[in-house]
Amino acid sequence: DIQMTQSPSSLSASVGDRVTITCQASQDISNYLNWYQQKPGKAPKLLIYDASNLETGVPSRFSGSGSGTDFTFTISSLQPEDIATYYCQQYNNLPRTFGQGTKVEIK
Amino acid sequence: EVQLVESGGGLVQPGRSLRLSCTASGFTFGDYAMSWVRQAPGKGLEWVGFIRSKTYGGTTEYAASVKGRFTISRDDSKSIAYLQMNSLKTEDTAVYYCTSSSRRVPRGAFDIWGQGTMVTVSS
Repeated sequence: DIQMTQSPSSLSASVGDRVTITCQASQDISNYLNWYQQKPGKAPKLLIYDASNLETGVPSRFSGSGSGTDFTFTISSLQPEDIATYYCQQYNNLPRTFGQGTKVEIK
Repeated sequence: EVQLVESGGGLVQPGRSLRLSCTASGFTFGDYAMSWVRQAPGKGLEWVGFIRSKTYGGTTEYAASVKGRFTISRDDSKSIAYLQMNSLKTEDTAVYYCTSSSRRVPRGAFDIWGQGTMVTVSS
């Protein structure tokens, strides 16, 4: 199975800060990498697919990059409504696997 | 409106069975693969498995943790996907989500989600 390692596991930042989360795959997954946002008590929401494609309706302050084994997710200017846990997920291979999540809080 | 609604969760004893349903509306259900993802309390997301559309054989794939105990099926005439869970263990306690990929995103990206249904395995 492909292991997805996210870091950090949690972070605290101020409104307006740039926030960066990394996700490392245990083997080459090309660009078959998605990012989700999950708020407490809610289902995950797809933000970015294929490493860098912004899902329709998602604010442009969210972005993603990377290929192969190393990926980055960025919030360019953190907003209060961005408080959530973020997950990466690979779909290069079965089983689909998720990172362990990064909890983003406001400082 | 595209929608997935899970049902069938509840409290069940270890070793018993439970069947979850995922009812779809707002899209041509039979054209899409349907997946199940679970989340144990306070934990991350875990892919459980999926069933391909009939166009792709309607075959299934499972995570190792549930293979041989869980079965995913579908009834395209009713737009329902099922997750039959047998020989349940306490570690199967989780919120179970059904999810799918619309035509706007790659098949491995999940942009349609249900609200989730809680399964608690406890004596």
